[in-house]
Amino acid sequence: NAGVTQTPKFQVLKTGQSMTLQCAQDMNHEYMSWYRQDPGMGLRLIHYSVGAGITDQGEVPNGYNVSRSTTEDFPLRLLSAAPSQTSVYFCASRDSPSGANVLTFGAGSRLTVL
Amino acid sequence: AQSVTQLDSQVPVFEEAPVELRCNYSSSVSVYLFWYVQYPNQGLQLLLKYLSGSTLVKGINGFEAEFNKSQTSFHLRKPSVHISDTAEYFCAVNPWNSGNTPLVFGKGTRLSVIA
Repeated sequence: NAGVTQTPKFQVLKTGQSMTLQCAQDMNHEYMSWYRQDPGMGLRLIHYSVGAGITDQGEVPNGYNVSRSTTEDFPLRLLSAAPSQTSVYFCASRDSPSGANVLTFGAGSRLTVL
Repeated sequence: AQSVTQLDSQVPVFEEAPVELRCNYSSSVSVYLFWYVQYPNQGLQLLLKYLSGSTLVKGINGFEAEFNKSQTSFHLRKPSVHISDTAEYFCAVNPWNSGNTPLVFGKGTRLSVIA
């Protein structure tokens, strides 16, 4: 089925470890983004990309890295995990450039940092 | 910059009762408005959206929302809720002609339907 695929679904890390959350979409969407969801905080934007080779920071970018080498993939890297990064992470894409277009979300990746 | 305020973090309601989830936004320009729903352990999906035209918008599962420009509100309503409506609901805003401006979300309202 067409859509946004996130892997892994669950991950446990120790403080200081690094890892990459994968996101892939098969809808040829130009715009992709990463959010984190925490209780009472809603969804906060981490990074986003408007096309291959173009990325920008969102509201909470510290501790995270992204790159966009292809239209399909938008991985999120945690450089040195901290307990404050325990969260549920969502990748979302839409057909740019209109802000009227709807975001399609992945199923989420639940990360626990011990 | 845009911002979204969802006035209630939790709303408990009995099955078959009506419900209203409130959303106010702040923006210096005209906006597109959205409601997304997140069922337990799932990603978000679109419930409905307002782009232009009629201020009353109908969405999936019997939900509707009314855009009120003077009050900068976009409240979500359903006349009779079901157990299956238990979920978290997010209001979101994007300015017109925003190009690639990211969507701004409210903090969410958790709707609990009680049997």
